[in-house]
Amino acid sequence: EAGVAQSPRYKIIEKRQSVAFWCNPISGHATLYWYQQILGQGPKLLIQFQNNGVVDDSQLPKDRFSAERLKGVDSTLKIQPAKLEDSAVYLCASSYRGRGAFFGQGTRLTVV
Amino acid sequence: SQQGEEDPQALSIQEGENATMNCSYKTSINNLQWYRQNSGRGLVHLILIRSNEREKHSGRLRVTLDTSKKSSSLLITASRAADTASYFCATVRNAGGTSYGKLTFGQGTILTVHP
Repeated sequence: EAGVAQSPRYKIIEKRQSVAFWCNPISGHATLYWYQQILGQGPKLLIQFQNNGVVDDSQLPKDRFSAERLKGVDSTLKIQPAKLEDSAVYLCASSYRGRGAFFGQGTRLTVV
Repeated sequence: SQQGEEDPQALSIQEGENATMNCSYKTSINNLQWYRQNSGRGLVHLILIRSNEREKHSGRLRVTLDTSKKSSSLLITASRAADTASYFCATVRNAGGTSYGKLTFGQGTILTVHP
């Protein structure tokens, strides 16, 4: 079974620029999560989808972050404009019917 | 907001010893999960324990759950250098009538196993 695919693996941008991350979850997994993990901390949930509907986005900074999951499969997370404090690893995960989540390798974002 | 709080923040042991990590949480849950993260890698799901279960085993892993104290522990027996990683607990509280819920992580315990 293929795992969760994320791209790119690394991204360096200047502050105020925009960036987008892509995630392809495991086939058949209805639940998709985006997390932000700052070095030395636990993952912070940004947004959770069930199929193509949003379950929770209470910690998503909506003035600059947006996410979509078209057709309930792939998902993209966008930051526009980026700030220095957005430097982190962005993790995508998916799960099936409340079971353990499978994580991708993450995208390491550096904002300079 | 982070739901789980792990204790200790860091743990250093010798190979062959047992490692115990604890997790406390604040609200009622449907299940609690433990994950491992090797440096620079994604998280790997280790074990899931439901709110009506008290103990679960998987290989060298033993997880307990005490819902009255809102706490869980992860025991790794006969540790190996390869167990060196960060360990996170995560809680799930299902939205009413659904089979899914918000997956919220704690800050993690950094485990170092010396050969």
